[in-house]
Amino acid sequence: SQQGEEDPQALSIQEGENATMNCSYKTSINNLQWYRQNSGRGLVHLILIRSNEREKHSGRLRVTLDTSKKSSSLLITASRAADTASYFCGAIGAGSYQLTFGKGTKLSVIP
Amino acid sequence: DAGVIQSPRHEVTEMGQEVTLRCKPISGHDYLFWYRQTMMRGLELLIYFNNNVPIDDSGMPEDRFSAKMPNASFSTLKIQPSEPRDSAVYFCASTPLFGNSGTEAFFGQGTRLTVV
Repeated sequence: SQQGEEDPQALSIQEGENATMNCSYKTSINNLQWYRQNSGRGLVHLILIRSNEREKHSGRLRVTLDTSKKSSSLLITASRAADTASYFCGAIGAGSYQLTFGKGTKLSVIP
Repeated sequence: DAGVIQSPRHEVTEMGQEVTLRCKPISGHDYLFWYRQTMMRGLELLIYFNNNVPIDDSGMPEDRFSAKMPNASFSTLKIQPSEPRDSAVYFCASTPLFGNSGTEAFFGQGTRLTVV
């Protein structure tokens, strides 16, 4: 069964603005990962946050995790046109080795 | 390493024909995953292997779908007979380790399957 569910389904912003995407999951997790997919390509890993972590940064990316609400958010600061892509969260359930995804958030950054 | 390699990149076949998708994981990776992506259903996990052994195939939609991993460097996903509703992009991904140690998954470029 699918774990991660992203919200919103689509997001359109101006270059330079921040983009926030949310993810909810159903059961306890070991870790949660965010991926990016450019049109016609495979998914590329962006950042991983473990269940005992609350926040993580990588360059212009900031990920938060709230295990009590079973939710995570991905913030992209100072967006660029090249950030246009679909973003997926993948959750690994506790005691499981399945990596399951939602339908993703389609981000459009307008130059 | 060249990454996860999938072949073919595109496949067009007629309904009822057998289709075989291929995947070469990154050397040394113990886990291999097959996914199907459609607009309606998103990215669905079909099956995954650990050390060449199928661990969970509960995502395989029907008996028409089968997957094998005869060795650590090769896996196949077969659809027999194929149907138009099988049209999708199929991804293979591999990772060296999962669970608490938490490593990323590496995806191939996908195979776009069209069944007419």
